[in-house]
Amino acid sequence: GAGVSQSPSNKVTEKGKDVELRCDPISGHTALYWYRQSLGQGLEFLIYFQGNSAPDKSGLPSDRFSAERTGGSVSTLTIQRTQQEDSAVYLCASSLGSAGTEAFFGQGTRLTVV
Amino acid sequence: QQQVKQSPQSLIVQKGGISIINCAYENTAFDYFPWYQQFPGKGPALLIAIRPDVSEKKEGRFTISFNKSAKQFSLHIMDSQPGDSATYFCAASKGGSYIPTFGRGTSLIVHP
Repeated sequence: GAGVSQSPSNKVTEKGKDVELRCDPISGHTALYWYRQSLGQGLEFLIYFQGNSAPDKSGLPSDRFSAERTGGSVSTLTIQRTQQEDSAVYLCASSLGSAGTEAFFGQGTRLTVV
Repeated sequence: QQQVKQSPQSLIVQKGGISIINCAYENTAFDYFPWYQQFPGKGPALLIAIRPDVSEKKEGRFTISFNKSAKQFSLHIMDSQPGDSATYFCAASKGGSYIPTFGRGTSLIVHP
């Protein structure tokens, strides 16, 4: 597809379970971002990948959160031992990676922890 | 610490009116200021962006005004339409980082 693709679109999980969220960026985009959107809280930066450089993990809220990007393309965000406060929409975006270029967002994964 | 402060949180205007959303930033290293528009169930999409070397940028009914000395920028939507009803986010990023920092968003409702 032409845009950023995220899967699943919705995920309901039980507290304590692990979840994996997937992001397929736009082909050729070297930069990939994960954000978390909670009601009334805007977009919270989680992690940033740029090419082969070490990722910027400064936004990850706890060590239960991790992400990887394989082959410079697909990325997976993993949340271990999910908590109710992890419930949010997780958004992935990609860009060409130069300063000021547009970040294209996927539709997000709505995670609900029950 | 919130690096980009956005107001108001919500805004209701009548069709044909002007919608104004304001943002203020703290980090003088920021050099790129995009606005994103988000419809329910969709990801944010770039609406318009500005760099600090200009004070205003206009694209159709959307205008960004930028005040570098005050560290403020605003989005003006002229002749607001019901189809403009969405959540708007301002953002800022700095060269070398490329990671946009977002405001908390403004929910705009335009009544017909």
